[in-house]
Amino acid sequence: AQKVTQAQTEISVVEKEDVTLDCVYETRDTTYYLFWYKQPPSGELVFLIRRNSFDEQNEISGRYSWNFQKSTSSFNFTITASQVVDSAVYFCALSEARGSGNTGKLIFGQGTTLQVKP
Amino acid sequence: NAGVMQNPRHLVRRRGQEARLRCSPMKGHSHVYWYRQLPEEGLKFMVYLQKENIIDESGMPKERFSAEFPKEGPSILRIQQVVRGDSAAYFCASSPLPTAEAFFGQGTRLTVV
Repeated sequence: AQKVTQAQTEISVVEKEDVTLDCVYETRDTTYYLFWYKQPPSGELVFLIRRNSFDEQNEISGRYSWNFQKSTSSFNFTITASQVVDSAVYFCALSEARGSGNTGKLIFGQGTTLQVKP
Repeated sequence: NAGVMQNPRHLVRRRGQEARLRCSPMKGHSHVYWYRQLPEEGLKFMVYLQKENIIDESGMPKERFSAEFPKEGPSILRIQQVVRGDSAAYFCASSPLPTAEAFFGQGTRLTVV
């Protein structure tokens, strides 16, 4: 069965601290995609990153970085020098790819609420 | 290129009424997904549609819920005879391919009173 676990329900940091959001996934497939989405207080869902299971290179985008480790089935997200505007709920998600059978539906974790205090 | 458009943003219905939620995908996107976010919970997949076809409805409740994506016009999620437990945020997402990243609309927040 596919499953995404975000064990951290809530994290609170002070501005400029670095923070890592954990994501552990379960899947039987060898080909799949992993995603992170941000849901700010306004409620919309903002796409942050998509990672193919064959690409284990870490990615950095500004203050955001992602660490993909297939050996531990983890896809962690780090925000460096956090800012108040980073306060949001962050969701990790999994989409399996089974060739022509792929539906692209996302299995979401429960989300981690990040509060960055000034 | 406008993003995924959902309307209304907020919808209030009395128990027993019908709720219709609309989703216009991004231009060029023919794959539409509906998700539900119950209070204090993550997002759960409901249904996946391509033009005029329901591909996967494994997450849809068996009764009162239906979805369509006609050849012309937006995708519609319809909830008949709403109950308090249907109160949630309903998100629509679209993508050009099942393997591409899905972009979400701003959601419709349904409140059943």
